[in-house]
Amino acid sequence: GQQLNQSPQSMFIQEGEDVSMNCTSSSIFNTWLWYKQDPGEGPVLLIALYKAGELTSNGRLTAQFGITRKDSFLNISASIPSDVGIYFCAGFNAGNNRKLIWGLGTSLAVNP
Amino acid sequence: SQTIHQWPATLVQPVGSPLSLECTVEGTSNPNLYWYRQAAGRGLQLLFYSVGIGQISSEVPQNLSASRPQDRQFILSSKKLLLSDSGFYLCAWSTGNEQPQHFGDGTRLSIL
Repeated sequence: GQQLNQSPQSMFIQEGEDVSMNCTSSSIFNTWLWYKQDPGEGPVLLIALYKAGELTSNGRLTAQFGITRKDSFLNISASIPSDVGIYFCAGFNAGNNRKLIWGLGTSLAVNP
Repeated sequence: SQTIHQWPATLVQPVGSPLSLECTVEGTSNPNLYWYRQAAGRGLQLLFYSVGIGQISSEVPQNLSASRPQDRQFILSSKKLLLSDSGFYLCAWSTGNEQPQHFGDGTRLSIL
C-alpha cells in the first residue's frame, strides 16, 4: 500500500536542541496529521493541518502543511527528555478520504 | 469527552487458538472505527474499518475478521491464530471520513 516518505528515520539529540522532521508524498494530500507514540501505547494526535500553507503550533511543537500539498514538517523547539518517542506523519490524499496513509516514523532520543 | 477502551492490554495465545479483542468508544455517536496492526514498533497497517453497524471493510486478506455488533463496539477475531498474527493491535475511532483518528492503548498479542 501507499506510504509516506518520513525522514529522518531516527534522531539522537541533546536536551535543549531543536528538532525537525518531515514527510513527503508523490501525490496531493488534503489533510496532514502528526502523532507521537510512547512505548507500549497508542499514537496520540499532536497537530492536524487542513489547508495548504497552514502553520499550526501546539506548545513547543510547530507543523506546516506544504504549499505544494505534497509535504509537511514538524519542528520541536527546546527538546526535553519527555519528547522521546516515535513521531508519525499521516494524511488523507485527494483520492481516498477513508484510508489514512502513514509514514514509518521518526524515532527521537533525547540525551539529558 | 470521548474515550476509547481496548482490552486486554496483553495476551499470550497458542497457535491454533481463537481470538477476540474488543474495543469500545464512549462519548460519541456513529463513529468510524478502525483496527490496525503494528509490527516491531513501527509502521501501522490498517486491517479493517467500519463506518456503521454491521459495515466492515477489509484492507488486507488475512486470518482475521472484524465485527461491529453495536454502534460503539468493534471486535477483532480469529478462529485459528497463526504465528504471524503476533503484533501490537490498535483500535481507533474518528468522527467521520478524512478526520483525525484517535487510538486506544493497544493489545500486545504474542502467539506461542
